[in-house]
Amino acid sequence: AQSVAQPEDQVNVAEGNPLTVKCTYSVSGNPYLFWYVQYPNRGLQFLLKYITGDNLVKGSYGFEAEFNKSQTSFHLKKPSALVSDSALYFCAVRALEGRRALTFGSGTRLQVQP
Amino acid sequence: GEEVAQTPKHLVRGEGQKAKLYCAPIKGHSYVFWYQQVLKNEFKFLISFQNENVFDETGMPKERFSAKCLPNSPCSLEIQATKLEDSAVYFCASSQSSGSGYNEQFFGPGTRLTVL
Repeated sequence: AQSVAQPEDQVNVAEGNPLTVKCTYSVSGNPYLFWYVQYPNRGLQFLLKYITGDNLVKGSYGFEAEFNKSQTSFHLKKPSALVSDSALYFCAVRALEGRRALTFGSGTRLQVQP
Repeated sequence: GEEVAQTPKHLVRGEGQKAKLYCAPIKGHSYVFWYQQVLKNEFKFLISFQNENVFDETGMPKERFSAKCLPNSPCSLEIQATKLEDSAVYFCASSQSSGSGYNEQFFGPGTRLTVL
């Protein structure tokens, strides 16, 4: 079985400061990891993914994520937060070989204060 | 189209009534997925299709839920005899086909189902 943990329900950060949203995973075999963002009453928007290769993945809107195999983590980062980054962020792992369904974490609400 | 389309946006049903939700995947995408988002933001996978064939239905409560993806028609998710606990937002997603299966899924805006 595979699972994703997002240990923080909410992260508060001041505009202009760096932000980190944490994610750890458990999966058999190679992990395929994703970050999505959800704005109120909207669907999920894809931010970035890790498949293989460089552990630092760059994505949309200035976000990046660092894959750490030994810590089974895939934390989302941004060097300088914007108020418009305030939203709900989901980490997801692709399921076992032969399946393509995503297993999601419980989400982390990011609040960026002006 | 360039976006996943879902209809209706909102659906209200009395307990025991039928509910039918529709999804038009992005043109050219071979895979369609249905997810249920319940309270506390939890996502639950329901079913996936590869073109019109069921690819994975391990998440489907089969006694009341059914789904189809027929050629030249929107995909559909149908709930017979809805229950209060079916109240949720139902998301459809689609992805391209590739041998690796690493493609990201693109999500629609969701259908909010309220069962009274």
